Amino acid sequence: EPEVTQTPSHQVTQMGQEVILRCVPISNHLYFYWYRQILGQKVEFLVSFYNNEISEKSEIFDDQFSVERPDGSNFTLKIRSTKLEDSAMYFCASSESQLVIRAKNIQYFGAGTRLSVL
Amino acid sequence: EDQVTQSPEALRLQEGESSSLNCSYTVSGLRGLFWYRQDPGKGPEFLFTLYSAGEEKEKERLKATLTKKESFLHITAPKPEDSATYLCAVQGFGDSWGKLQFGAGTQVVVTP
Repeated sequence: EPEVTQTPSHQVTQMGQEVILRCVPISNHLYFYWYRQILGQKVEFLVSFYNNEISEKSEIFDDQFSVERPDGSNFTLKIRSTKLEDSAMYFCASSESQLVIRAKNIQYFGAGTRLSVL
Repeated sequence: EDQVTQSPEALRLQEGESSSLNCSYTVSGLRGLFWYRQDPGKGPEFLFTLYSAGEEKEKERLKATLTKKESFLHITAPKPEDSATYLCAVQGFGDSWGKLQFGAGTQVVVTP
């Protein structure tokens, strides 16, 4: 069964360092997303991406964050200068479409990357 | 602003003891309501999507229903392997690019 894969599973970094979280979405999916979940809190939307552009972003997704699809299979989230409060689980998700028909807008999530900022 | 509230926060069940989880939502035009299961340290795993009031979906011991203001996830005769956090999320028509708004989840523990 196709799945979203994320690497690494756990990333430890020092405050102020740059990190890149990687995702391989499901191969025929066109819409990509990043969410994060701080320990004990809700899953929060960060950004959606379609056709090599950011479609929508939340208030959390400030200038420290960027996303990229560097090739035909990978989708990355970069945090330029990490802060302690960036420590969280980061989830990548993908969907085939935005169409409700035949449930093509279902988002499938990866297992996540746990980011620990020290 | 879209809001999703789940209750109860936690639920402890004996094996075989059926129960229901609630998801109340406020959204400016519901595009879809989604139920996910999340195991500790893992990503949300898709269970169901519901699109219109009156719709029902069923899978094994789980059944999801939808009204105009809330959704229920019914767990019938649960087993210990049904222990997980169940997340509800909504997608509104204002969210043209698919943003999901999640509730805080209901943590379910099923004991033998």
